[in-house]
Amino acid sequence: QKEVEQDPGPLSVPEGAIVSLNCTYSNSAFQYFMWYRQYSRKGPELLMYTYSSGNKEDGRFTAQVDKSSKYISLFIRDSQPSDSATYLCAMKAAGNKLTFGGGTRVLVKP
Amino acid sequence: EADIYQTPRYLVIGTGKKITLECSQTMGHDKMYWYQQDPGMELHLIHYSYGVNSTEKGDLSSESTVSRIRTEHFPLTLESARPSHTSQYLCASRLQGTSTDTQYFGPGTRLTVL
Repeated sequence: QKEVEQDPGPLSVPEGAIVSLNCTYSNSAFQYFMWYRQYSRKGPELLMYTYSSGNKEDGRFTAQVDKSSKYISLFIRDSQPSDSATYLCAMKAAGNKLTFGGGTRVLVKP
Repeated sequence: EADIYQTPRYLVIGTGKKITLECSQTMGHDKMYWYQQDPGMELHLIHYSYGVNSTEKGDLSSESTVSRIRTEHFPLTLESARPSHTSQYLCASRLQGTSTDTQYFGPGTRLTVL
């Protein structure tokens, strides 16, 4: 079983809708949680970073971490066609290397 | 936008060839990483370096080798390429001591071995 599970999608939504993405994990030592966005034929870029449990908001993006359920989420409000990309969750324990999910492909239709 | 560069962006070669994938960053980052990513799959760490003359193997076994002679440069070499090496290779870097694990990624090299 993978340490980090992420639905590969694709997730297709109309423009303006809320995109909801999530990952589950099994390693209770994970403390740092990240979401990366990867456009086709590009490298991933960091979108959100969260330490431990709680919510974090940045513009149209909200990241949530529920350590008790080993579940993290990313919400994208007022989605735009430019949000069409693959979204990767990543997490790590203190001092350790990043473990990535497989990514969810999102398509926002105009 | 991150100042991390990878060349070539695309490479198609025959089996048995020796290749070197280049990665350079101008941010003065001490930590650098190589990941392998197959389509629709997660990134797998194959090599990392915490500084000059420091290299370690990652979680995924790889027949490639790396070197870190200069801070800004972290090339990856395959002595004899095989079709099983066909994949996307992503280079990343991070500054030691930052509170967040912000790894900056290059654009990747898409390798096809025939």
